[in-house]
Amino acid sequence: EAGVTQFPSHSVIEKGQTVTLRCDPISGHDNLYWYRRVMGKEIKFLLHFVKESKQDESGMPNNRFLAERTGGTYSTLKVQPAELEDSGVYFCASSPSGEQVFRPLHFGNGTRLTVT
Amino acid sequence: AQSVAQPEDQVNVAEGNPLTVKCTYSVSGNPYLFWYVQYPNRGLQFLLKYITGDNLVKGSYGFEAEFNKSQTSFHLKKPSALVSDSALYFCAVREFHSSASKIIFGSGTRLSIRP
Repeated sequence: EAGVTQFPSHSVIEKGQTVTLRCDPISGHDNLYWYRRVMGKEIKFLLHFVKESKQDESGMPNNRFLAERTGGTYSTLKVQPAELEDSGVYFCASSPSGEQVFRPLHFGNGTRLTVT
Repeated sequence: AQSVAQPEDQVNVAEGNPLTVKCTYSVSGNPYLFWYVQYPNRGLQFLLKYITGDNLVKGSYGFEAEFNKSQTSFHLKKPSALVSDSALYFCAVREFHSSASKIIFGSGTRLSIRP
């Protein structure tokens, strides 16, 4: 099966610009997560979709971040306007439904975002 | 609040020697614990998990981890390190009976195996 794919792999933008990250989960996985790792620090949870619904968005830093998952398939994460502190690696992960607590997450390779 | 601590930023081991990567956790209720590995320019890969049962769990690539409830630890181990084990390792915890759906990760430990 195809894994979780993220696009782009790298993005360099200027402060104030807009960037949209995309994640395609494994087909059939209802759960989709976004995480972010800032240089050298822990991987921080951003939000969790179950199908097209936001189950938990407690980790979203502020209203400059907007995540969508229309139709319950792929997801986008938009940062507008970007700030310097938004730089980091953004990971997407997915998992199937059912017995959720037992299931590991399948991660994409991440998008490295650099805001200059 | 649940949390995970990886006290070592880096662990250096000679090839063929045993290795340990430390992890301690703090949760309310029963913990569900995981180890993931990240190779350069790749996403995180699942290594092993502890849900219940035997405190020693075995995972991929010859790794194992020991769950210790009294010490709230879940250290990753391997009897004989390989150069190819060099990577970034993350410990993670998911709390049972919690309405929250997120997995909490530690800050990662870089494992370096020298030939």
